[in-house]
Amino acid sequence: DQQVKQNSPSLSVQEGRISILNCDYTNSMFDYFLWYKKYPAEGPTFLISISSIKDKNEDGRFTVFLNKSAKHLSLHIVPSQPGDSAVYFCAARGVYSGAGSYQLTFGKGTKLSVIP
Amino acid sequence: DSGVTQTPKHLITATGQRVTLRCSPRSGDLSVYWYQQSLDQGLQFLIQYYNGEERAKGNILERFSAQQFPDLHSELNLSSLELGDSALYFCASSVGEGQAISGNTIYFGEGSWLTVV
Repeated sequence: DQQVKQNSPSLSVQEGRISILNCDYTNSMFDYFLWYKKYPAEGPTFLISISSIKDKNEDGRFTVFLNKSAKHLSLHIVPSQPGDSAVYFCAARGVYSGAGSYQLTFGKGTKLSVIP
Repeated sequence: DSGVTQTPKHLITATGQRVTLRCSPRSGDLSVYWYQQSLDQGLQFLIQYYNGEERAKGNILERFSAQQFPDLHSELNLSSLELGDSALYFCASSVGEGQAISGNTIYFGEGSWLTVV
């Protein structure tokens, strides 16, 4: 049972346009969400996060939107650049696993290709 | 370069065998995390150690075990290997204890590719 779903395995966008990556979750106990970016032959790198008490968080060209009632979040990249081509993972925090630690649940990722 | 070093980068072994994956965290990081990424799954959290002690446990099989040594490097031991254990195993590290605490960024290594034949 996948609690974090990224239903689009891949997405192609023209350079300069907006990229929208979507993520759905099923566990209403998730309270913190993160996006990671992964280039080939590298490990994932943290991109941006959002707490469940907010509905939007912005960092430069990257904005994450959270719709709690729909259990949906999205990552917007504006404008998209060829260097943004990577796999993007959505992750959610839940299940307190011990003193000061939580467990992250990841989606399967969406491969974004930005076409010059 | 995240500063997290994993060895070996690639490993091919037969079913039933045992392998050890090694991880050196970033300098100063006390937490080490292990994740598994198989072909049809997202990143699956396996286990976390903080300053030598187990801190959190995820979907780690009983055939798998890990430890963090006094010098803070960590090893993930995989035994009685099955074909389904073929995956990319990531190690990550952070300064603090919480893998999803705001401000405690987790840094991932490049991963160790394990192929079980």
